[in-house]
Amino acid sequence: KNEVEQSPQNLTAQEGEFITINCSYSVGISALHWLQQHPGGGIVSLFMLSSGKKKHGRLIATINIQEKHSSLHITASHPRDSAVYICAVTGGTSYGKLTFGQGTILTVHP
Amino acid sequence: GAVVSQHPSRVICKSGTSVKIECRSLDFQATTMFWYRQFPKQSLMLMATSNEGSKATYEQGVEKDKFLINHASLTLSTLTVTSAHPEDSSFYICSARGKGASNQPQHFGDGTRLSIL
Repeated sequence: KNEVEQSPQNLTAQEGEFITINCSYSVGISALHWLQQHPGGGIVSLFMLSSGKKKHGRLIATINIQEKHSSLHITASHPRDSAVYICAVTGGTSYGKLTFGQGTILTVHP
Repeated sequence: GAVVSQHPSRVICKSGTSVKIECRSLDFQATTMFWYRQFPKQSLMLMATSNEGSKATYEQGVEKDKFLINHASLTLSTLTVTSAHPEDSSFYICSARGKGASNQPQHFGDGTRLSIL
């Protein structure tokens, strides 16, 4: 079993829909990261959080430490949000290094 | 925000060639840089961690003589794929982390797509 599990693996939405991507982890962590990988391969760090909730524009990330679960929400989705979203954690068995989930492929249709 | 520049973005070369990939932090001092490899439709795989001024720490199964990493300054790390073969074809991406606690954000380059003919 992977230390970081994401769901769903694939997600298709219509423009304007509210999107949720989930991440569960099984180890102790110091922080959880949400990353966005564009079709060209480049990666952008969206959020790093260790508790509570963070918001940036249309993106919201939440984490529940007790339940070892995090969610990434996208409000009013747009085709340009189409990308792979990756959940990663630091701490646990690999202190300081990122342990990655499998990624969620998001496609938003106009 | 912090910017990491990776160069080149794409390399196509013949088998047996050595290829050098550069990773630069443009507006912060990167005490630690990470090198990842990614095969199509798969997750990132950490190859090695390099700390400025010291030898890189390689992950299990990664040949250190095959993938040479140098982190000679606080703004530059290089990965050299020596005597590359077709099976080395992959997407390589670096990330950099500044000074301070090891759970600081990592800032990623745009990656290098390596194709060995």
